[in-house]
Amino acid sequence: EPEVTQTPSHQVTQMGQEVILRCVPISNHLYFYWYRQILGQKVEFLVSFYNNEISEKSEIFDDQFSVERPDGSNFTLKIRSTKLEDSAMYFCASRGLAIRGNEQFFGPGTRLTVL
Amino acid sequence: GENVEQHPSTLSVQEGDSAVIKCTYSDSASNYFPWYKQELGKRPQLIIDIRSNVGEKKDQRIAVTLNKTAKHFSLHITETQPEDSAVYFCASPGQGTALIFGKGTTLSVSS
Repeated sequence: EPEVTQTPSHQVTQMGQEVILRCVPISNHLYFYWYRQILGQKVEFLVSFYNNEISEKSEIFDDQFSVERPDGSNFTLKIRSTKLEDSAMYFCASRGLAIRGNEQFFGPGTRLTVL
Repeated sequence: GENVEQHPSTLSVQEGDSAVIKCTYSDSASNYFPWYKQELGKRPQLIIDIRSNVGEKKDQRIAVTLNKTAKHFSLHITETQPEDSAVYFCASPGQGTALIFGKGTTLSVSS
């Protein structure tokens, strides 16, 4: 069964550094998402991407964040200058067309630790 | 935007008992209501979902009910087993496609 994959599984960085989290969505999916989950808390929406542009974003997704689909398979989240409070699990998700169901499939996550 | 409230935050049951988790949502335009199960350190996994044109959906020991008038939906797990122990999240997309999650319910099933 196809799955969303994410790399790396764990990223440790120093405050102020830039990080890029990578995702490979399911191949025929068209909607892509980034969510984050601070330890012990709920899953929070960051941004959605459709047709090569951002379709929705939350208040969390400020100027420090950007997303890109650099080629036909990867979907990346960049944090320009990391803060301590960016430490969280970051999940990528993808979804096909609505006529095939609304289910969002989550990747295994990248645990980001900012020191 | 959409706001999703989930109760209870923790739930402890004996093996074989039923468990019920409830969520309310704010955006009347929401038309899709999934439930995700998350085991420790793992990704959220969809266990059941319901669309707004249906009042109830069942899949073996789990069921979801939806009351659009009252804007709430519930997860029902019957004959609970220790492997049902996990954190359960409800979610709703509001007017977009992005999921807004509840705060989660930690279910503990003791044998």
